[in-house]
Amino acid sequence: AQSVSQHNHHVILSEAASLELGCNYSYGGTVNLFWYVQYPGQHLQLLLKYFSGDPLVKGIKGFEAEFIKSKFSFNLRKPSVQWSDTAEYFCAVNGGSTLTFGKGTMLLVSP
Amino acid sequence: DTEVTQTPKHLVMGMTNKKSLKCEQHMGHRAMYWYKQKAKKPPELMFVYSYEKLSINESVPSRFSPECPNSSLLNLHLHALQPEDSALYLCASSQGVSGPNEQFFGPGTRLTVL
Repeated sequence: AQSVSQHNHHVILSEAASLELGCNYSYGGTVNLFWYVQYPGQHLQLLLKYFSGDPLVKGIKGFEAEFIKSKFSFNLRKPSVQWSDTAEYFCAVNGGSTLTFGKGTMLLVSP
Repeated sequence: DTEVTQTPKHLVMGMTNKKSLKCEQHMGHRAMYWYKQKAKKPPELMFVYSYEKLSINESVPSRFSPECPNSSLLNLHLHALQPEDSALYLCASSQGVSGPNEQFFGPGTRLTVL
C-alpha cells in the first residue's frame, strides 16, 4: 500500500519569506508524485507533477519541487511567498491505480 | 478544454430524499473518479471508473450509487443519506487509471444533509 506523510499541518509565513513544505511517501515501486493546491473556497488545482526525468520540477506560480528517491521525498519550495499563496497544499502519490493524498498543510501568509 | 464540470454547486437534502450529482468532462479521458472531502481533510477516494466500468469501490455504503452512462459523464446517486455524509464531493478524470496520469478535478458539489 502507498502512503503520504506531510510534515507540517500549519505553516505561517510573512510575505517574501521562503517556503519549503515537506512530503515523504511510502511505496515500493515506481511512483508518480503531485502537489495540489486548494485556495479558500476553490477546487483542487495541480501545482506540479513528477513522472520521470529531471528530479527538479517547476510548476505554476513560481513553485518547484525536488524528487529525492533515496529519501522518498518530494518537497515543495518557493523562494518568496505572497499573500495570495495562502491555501491548503496537498502532496499526493500514485503508485498504481489510485491517488493517495497527504493530510495537507495549511499555509497562511501574512501581508 | 481541460475542464471538469460538476452540477449542482450546492445541494441541501433531507435524509429521505433522492438526489443525483453530475460530472462531465470532454477531454477524452477514460478514467473518472468520485472523491469525498470533509473540511480541513484531504480528498478520500470513493469510486473509480475505467472505460465506463466500475473498477474500484472503496467500501462505500450502498446509499451512494455511482453510474457512468458514457465516457464523458459520471453520476452519483444519493439516497437515504446521513448528516455525516455532508461534505464536498469531487469528481476527477484522467487519461487512464495506471501509469503517469494527472487527475483533473472539478469544483465539487457541496452537499448538506439535514
